[in-house]
Amino acid sequence: EIVLTQSPGTLSLSPGERATLSCRASQSISTYLAWYQQKPGQAPRLLIYDASNRATGIPARFSGSGSGTDFTLTISSLEPEDFAIYYCQQRSSWITFGQGTRLEIK
Amino acid sequence: QVQLVESGGGVVQPGSSLRLSCVTSGFTLHTYAMDWVRQAPGKGLEWVAFIWYDGNKKKYADSVRGRFTISKDDSKNTLYLEMSSLRAEDTAVYYCARDLYSSMDYFDSWGQGTLVTVSS
Repeated sequence: EIVLTQSPGTLSLSPGERATLSCRASQSISTYLAWYQQKPGQAPRLLIYDASNRATGIPARFSGSGSGTDFTLTISSLEPEDFAIYYCQQRSSWITFGQGTRLEIK
Repeated sequence: QVQLVESGGGVVQPGSSLRLSCVTSGFTLHTYAMDWVRQAPGKGLEWVAFIWYDGNKKKYADSVRGRFTISKDDSKNTLYLEMSSLRAEDTAVYYCARDLYSSMDYFDSWGQGTLVTVSS
C-alpha cells in the first residue's frame, strides 16, 4: 500500500499570507496525485488532479506541483474561506489518502 | 448540475447488515465509474469500493472485502453499497463519489454523506 504523509499536521496563517502544504508518497506515484479541501460538516471538494491541474471552478490562487514522491499544494494568498482541512490522494496503486493538514487562522 | 444524494445510514448492532443508496442526477450514471469513500468521526478519508461504468469491474478495500458489495441500477440512476457483518470500526460517514476519468481515479463530485453507526 502506498502511504501518503502530509506535513505539517496543522498550519496557522493569516488571511493574505501564502500557504504551502506538503504530501510525500512512500514510493513513486508519477503525477497521480490529487488535493481536496474539506470544511466542517461538508464533503471534500476536488481542487487539483494529476498533481497540477486545477479542477473546474477552482480559483487560480490554488496551485499544485511535484512528481515522483514529493508534492506541494500552494495557496498564493489566503482568503477567509480557505481555512479548512486539506487531503492529498493517490491513484497510482489503488487509492489512498493522506492524513490531512488542518489550515487554521492565526 | 451534478447531484449525489446518499441515504440508508443509521444505528445498527455489530454483525448486522445495511444497504446504502446514492441517487444521482445531472449526468448519465452508466458512463461513469463510481466509488464509496468513508470517514470515521474526526478521522481522515478512506476509500471503500469502486465500480466500473458498466458494472463489470468492482474493487474493494481490504478492510471491507467479503463483507461489502457495491452495485448500481442505471435505470434508477442509483448506486448501492450492501454492508454485512458490520463492525464497530465501520462506523463512519459514507460518501458516494464520481470518478473524474471513469476509472478508479479522482473524485470530482461527492454526495453529502450518510452516517452509519455500529454499536451495541
